[in-house]
Amino acid sequence: DTAVSQTPKYLVTQMGNDKSIKCEQNLGHDTMYWYKQDSKKFLKIMFSYNNKELIINETVPNRFSPKSPDKAHLNLHINSLELGDSAVYFCASSQGRSNEQFFGPGTRLTVL
Amino acid sequence: DAKTTQPPSMDCAEGRAANLPCNHSTISGNEYVYWYRQIHSQGPQYIIHGLKNNETNEMASLIITEDRKSSTLILPHATLRDTAVYYCILRSGGSNYKLTFGKGTLLTVNP
Repeated sequence: DTAVSQTPKYLVTQMGNDKSIKCEQNLGHDTMYWYKQDSKKFLKIMFSYNNKELIINETVPNRFSPKSPDKAHLNLHINSLELGDSAVYFCASSQGRSNEQFFGPGTRLTVL
Repeated sequence: DAKTTQPPSMDCAEGRAANLPCNHSTISGNEYVYWYRQIHSQGPQYIIHGLKNNETNEMASLIITEDRKSSTLILPHATLRDTAVYYCILRSGGSNYKLTFGKGTLLTVNP
C-alpha cells in the first residue's frame, strides 16, 4: 500500500494555465508538506499544514495555493503557470511537526 | 540555508561499509542531526536521526562526535540500491521544525 501518493506523476502544460496536484496519505498523520525540487536539485519547503491549518508558508508566489480538505489530503493549486514553475513537487507527511517525514513519489511539472 | 557541509560525492564498493561525513560546526544545543536520502527520481527517505548519542537502526548507524560539530552516517554493508544522494540536516527540537535540505553527498556504490 502506498503511504503517500500524488497525482498526477507527470504534468505538462502551457504557460498561463491553472493546474492542481493532489496528495493523499494513508498513514493517519496530522501534518503534511509541499516541497519543490528545481532543476539544480535543491529541495525547498513551500507549505506545511497541521490538522488542516497552515503552519509554514515560505516565500512562495501567491499563484500557489494549498488546500487541505481533511487531514489526509493536501492539494496544491497553481494559477497562471510560468516557465520557472517547472520542477518536481513532493508531498510529505509526518505525525506531529518534529517527527520523520514520509515523502511521496513526486509530480514532475513541465511548463512549456 | 543549510548549516551542514558534506562532500559532493563519494564512491564505495558493494558489500563494504560506506562512511558519509557531515560537518555542522555551528550546531546549537537543541538541534538534532537528521539523515535522509534520495534515490534517483524518488522522494526523499528518512534514514536516522540523533541528538548526542550514537544511534543505530535497521538501515544505518549515526556517529556524532562528543562536541557535536560533526557526524558520520554508516551504511554497514552497502548495496547497489544504496546509490543515492544523502542529506545531512540540522533540525531544531523547538518550534523551528522545518527540514532544510542542502546539496548532499552523491554516494555511488560500485559492483
